Amino acid sequence: KNEVEQSPQNLTAQEGEFITINCSYSVGISALHWLQQHPGGGIVSLFMLSSGKKKHGRLIATINIQEKHSSLHITASHPRDSAVYICAVRWATSGSRLTFGEGTQLTVNP
Amino acid sequence: DTAVSQTPKYLVTQMGNDKSIKCEQNLGHDTMYWYKQDSKKFLKIMFSYNNKELIINETVPNRFSPKSPDKAHLNLHINSLELGDSAVYFCASSRRDRGLLNTEAFFGQGTRLTVV
Repeated sequence: KNEVEQSPQNLTAQEGEFITINCSYSVGISALHWLQQHPGGGIVSLFMLSSGKKKHGRLIATINIQEKHSSLHITASHPRDSAVYICAVRWATSGSRLTFGEGTQLTVNP
Repeated sequence: DTAVSQTPKYLVTQMGNDKSIKCEQNLGHDTMYWYKQDSKKFLKIMFSYNNKELIINETVPNRFSPKSPDKAHLNLHINSLELGDSAVYFCASSRRDRGLLNTEAFFGQGTRLTVV
C-alpha cells in the first residue's frame, strides 16, 4: 500500500527555535509538495520538490529520493509559523494518484 | 485579487438536501481540483478536471458530481446529502496537469459543509 507518513504529528516550540518536520513515503514518487494550512483553514503550497533542496525565506525543504524521505525546516521560528504542515506526493507509477500525509500541527509560543 | 475563490465559505444543510459549491480561478490555469478534508484534517483528492475534461475521479459516491462549464470554473454538486459528507471541501488549481504536484498549486479558502 502506498503511504505517506509525517512526524511528529504535533510539535510545540519556543520562538526562535529551529524546527524540522519529516515526511517518509513508501515507494517511488515523481514529486513531493509541502503545504501549509493556516489556523483559518486556507492552504498554501510552500514547495514542490523532485530532488535536492529548496529555500524560501526561513523555510527550507529537502528531499532524499533514495531514502524516500523529505524534511521541512523552519529557521528562527515565529508564532506566525503556527499552522498545520502537510506533505503530499504523486506516486511515480500511479499516474495522477495523489496521497497526503496526515499533517503536523506546529505551535510556536512567544 | 483572489486567485481561487470558493462560495459559500460555510454551508449548513439538512440530510437529504442537494447543494452546490462553486469554485472559480482567475489564474488562467488549465487544471482544477476538488479535495475533501475530514474531521481529522486528512486531505484526499476527489476530482480533477483538465480543460473541462475529467481526469481524476477517486472513489467518490455518485451523489457527488463535478461540473466544469469552462476551465476557470469547477463546481461541486452533491445530491442527497448525508451526515458523513460533513467536511471541509477545498478547490485548487494549477497549470496544465501532470498530477498537480509537478506544478505549483493554489488553493481556495475552503467550504465548511455541515450536514445536520
